[in-house]
Amino acid sequence: QQPVQSPQAVILREGEDAVINCSSSKALYSVHWYRQKHGEAPVFLMILLKGGEQKGHEKISASFNEKKQQSSLYLTASQLSYSGTYFCGTEYPSGTYKYIFGTGTRLKVLA
Amino acid sequence: SQTIHQWPATLVQPVGSPLSLECTVEGTSNPNLYWYRQAAGRGLQLLFYSVGIGQISSEVPQNLSASRPQDRQFILSSKKLLLSDSGFYLCAWSARQPNTGELFFGEGSRLTVL
Repeated sequence: QQPVQSPQAVILREGEDAVINCSSSKALYSVHWYRQKHGEAPVFLMILLKGGEQKGHEKISASFNEKKQQSSLYLTASQLSYSGTYFCGTEYPSGTYKYIFGTGTRLKVLA
Repeated sequence: SQTIHQWPATLVQPVGSPLSLECTVEGTSNPNLYWYRQAAGRGLQLLFYSVGIGQISSEVPQNLSASRPQDRQFILSSKKLLLSDSGFYLCAWSARQPNTGELFFGEGSRLTVL
């Protein structure tokens, strides 16, 4: 069972904010976020290793709640370059090196 | 620095034909290696992963197989392709130590089965 992301798709205007959620039915010990542009390989954005710890990348930040088995990605003042599909990823179960991705969220930013 | 090479980039194959996709990693040793498949407009499906030479864990029991003949080489194969095998195939690696879990992807192989 892969982590479930919500929303499945979102359309924004430049400068608007968005939140993408990643929920797991199993315990999470770390979460990673990736962005994939159309026709390209995913690119690593950030890693979250501790519950509640936020990591930032430019105007993109994320949070991780181990207790709720959830992670959220926050995109602030979105830019056209933020368009793409966002995936959360995790080792599932921890310590096995089996790495799976969430269901994905398609984000489109309009001028 | 580490690099990952994956080939071929694009291929068109008839149903029932064999398949071989190859991936090599440079600049690191003892990596974890992965094969993912992405159908058009869909997510990333884990097909196989490997933590060492000859050690393959399969996530999909279909008509695909994987092999790791050398530490930094990972091969995806099929004896007879199905239409449903069409998609974007991605090879990736991650470091064993430290195990941050970050994956580094090849550029992908786009397979069309006709």
